[in-house]
Amino acid sequence: GAGVSQSPSNKVTEKGKDVELRCDPISGHTALYWYRQSLGQGLEFLIYFQGNSAPDKSGLPSDRFSAERTGGSVSTLTIQRTQQEDSAVYLCASSLVGSVTDTQYFGPGTRLTVL
Amino acid sequence: EDQVTQSPEALRLQEGESSSLNCSYTVSGLRGLFWYRQDPGKGPEFLFTLYSAGEEKEKERLKATLTKKESFLHITAPKPEDSATYLCAVPRGSTLTFGKGTMLLVSP
Repeated sequence: GAGVSQSPSNKVTEKGKDVELRCDPISGHTALYWYRQSLGQGLEFLIYFQGNSAPDKSGLPSDRFSAERTGGSVSTLTIQRTQQEDSAVYLCASSLVGSVTDTQYFGPGTRLTVL
Repeated sequence: EDQVTQSPEALRLQEGESSSLNCSYTVSGLRGLFWYRQDPGKGPEFLFTLYSAGEEKEKERLKATLTKKESFLHITAPKPEDSATYLCAVPRGSTLTFGKGTMLLVSP
């Protein structure tokens, strides 16, 4: 079956512009996670959705970052007024039931470059 | 604070040369330990979950083991296609805390 998909695969933007990153989870998966992976760094948790609600937003680095999920499916991560330090690969993962011990399946990521 | 440390950071092997990767963790009440493989330009691919000390799981040339303080990923007679970054992670709160990974390169 289809895995997690993300779009775009690559995004180059200018400092100060807003960007939207999209994630389509595996069909039927109730939990969705966003992570950020910078060069030389591990995966950094950003936000977790259970259905359309986000019970854990603790990893969002600033109020320039926001995310929503609609219909219990697609999620969008929005970064406003992008900065060069936002450059990273943004990864989305989904899991079936949302327990932290449930396997998370990752998408291919969106590589964001802020010039 | 819960931490996950992987070693070595990078490992270069000849094809057929077996070795082990280490993942040590400090977490109270371990609820599982996950191993993933990540190829360049791709997202992490799930390999194994281990839940209790003494547990072992195998997949092709890979075997993962777990003790109370660390996990090992043993690679037996590796092939060039095993070259990748291997990540381990433990549950923390509502998500996973990942180590920085071990980059494995297997030369023919």
